[in-house]
Amino acid sequence: AQSVTQLGSHVSVSEGALVLLRCNYSSSVPPYLFWYVQYPNQGLQLLLKYTSAATLVKGINGFEAEFKKSETSFHLTKPSAHMSDAAEYFCAVSESNQFYFGTGTSLTVIP
Amino acid sequence: DGGITQSPKYLFRKEGQNVTLSCEQNLNHDAMYWYRQDPGQGLRLIYYSQIVNDFQKGDIAEGYSVSREKKESFPLTVTSAQKNPTAFYLCASSVQDTATYEQYFGPGTRLTVT
Repeated sequence: AQSVTQLGSHVSVSEGALVLLRCNYSSSVPPYLFWYVQYPNQGLQLLLKYTSAATLVKGINGFEAEFKKSETSFHLTKPSAHMSDAAEYFCAVSESNQFYFGTGTSLTVIP
Repeated sequence: DGGITQSPKYLFRKEGQNVTLSCEQNLNHDAMYWYRQDPGQGLRLIYYSQIVNDFQKGDIAEGYSVSREKKESFPLTVTSAQKNPTAFYLCASSVQDTATYEQYFGPGTRLTVT
């Protein structure tokens, strides 16, 4: 079965600093990859997805992620953090009609 | 606007009672899903349905039941057999149950059982 690892359950950055949230997956076959964001007591909202087109994927709210097959990674980045980016972020992998979610990374933005 | 509706937002029940969580979608999606979310554990799949009148167990189906009588509705019943039912429950749907299609999520229902 697929597994998704998000390194760092909590990440803190200063407002205006680079955001880097890490995601690694276990599949030997390139899967389909997704990043979701969840604000407190809300559902998940899709940030971006990779479906074997360009390896650098741009999403909403200034986020982007790069698929690196050699590293089995799909890290999420944003050049400059905003206070409104404080939320929980989930990486997900889709393979064989199943979705596999990471355990999430809580992002805190320090003013 | 199309979307997924879950009601109620907050639900309180006494131990030993069954409770049904509502999930409705007007996206015309074929597949629907129920997840349970606990702090630090991510999302765990309870049940999913690819078509009306058919559904499959996910990773943690024990103590839960579902029905899919209509394409737009996928209610989840938390039975008294579920040992630790207090959690945040999320319903999702997708165009088809295939790898490339993202899942769309409802706002969730927070269930507290005392």
